[in-house]
Amino acid sequence: GENVEQHPSTLSVQEGDSAVIKCTYSDSASNYFPWYKQELGKGPQLIIDIRSNVGEKKDQRIAVTLNKTAKHFSLHITETQPEDSAVYFCASNYNYGQNFVFGPGTRLSVLP
Amino acid sequence: EADIYQTPRYLVIGTGKKITLECSQTMGHDKMYWYQQDPGMELHLIHYSYGVNSTEKGDLSSESTVSRIRTEHFPLTLESARPSHTSQYLCASSNSPGAGGLRGIQYFGAGTRLSVL
Repeated sequence: GENVEQHPSTLSVQEGDSAVIKCTYSDSASNYFPWYKQELGKGPQLIIDIRSNVGEKKDQRIAVTLNKTAKHFSLHITETQPEDSAVYFCASNYNYGQNFVFGPGTRLSVLP
Repeated sequence: EADIYQTPRYLVIGTGKKITLECSQTMGHDKMYWYQQDPGMELHLIHYSYGVNSTEKGDLSSESTVSRIRTEHFPLTLESARPSHTSQYLCASSNSPGAGGLRGIQYFGAGTRLSVL
C-alpha cells in the first residue's frame, strides 16, 4: 500500500518567517495531495490541495508544490502568524483514488 | 464549515462499560471513516465504509465495531471498554472519486476524546 513520510515532526519559527513542511509518497499512481490543518480541540480541516496535473498551487500565504518525478510535495507558509500554530497533515490518495493515507503530522509553533 | 457531527465530545467511563460514539453527516457523502488519534498526533484509520451496509477494517487493528445502516450515520461501538482504548476518535466523510465537485476531500468532525478509567 501507499506510504507517506512527513518532515519535520516539529517546527518552530518566528512570526513573519516562512515555514516549509515536506512529504514523500510511494505510489506512483497517486494523483491527489491534500494538506490538512488541525487546531487544538478540533478535527483536521482541508487548507489546500494539489492534483498531479499541476506543479504548484497558491492561496494567499500558503502554497503547495509537487514533484511527481521525485514523489514529493511540500507546504509553504509565508509571513507566518501565531494563528498558523497547529498540527499539519499531508495526505495522498492511492488505490485509484479510493483510499487516502495521511502523513504522521508536523506540529508548527509560530513564536511571537 | 463541514456538516459532520460527533457526540459526545468528551467521555469518561469505567472499565468494562459498553459505549457508542456517534457520527452523523448531512452532506450526503457515501464514504465515511473512523480514525484513532493518539497524543503523538498520527491519524490511524480503524474503520471505513463505502456506503450503506458496507464496513471495512482500516490499517490499525481495533476492538471496536461499526455499522452503516443509514447513509448519514456511522456509529462506533466498544462492547467492553478498557484503559487501552483511551484516545481521541475522529470521524470523517467524503464523496467518492468521480462524483464531481470536491471529490475525495475528507471532512472531519471535531472528535470524541475518550478516557477509560
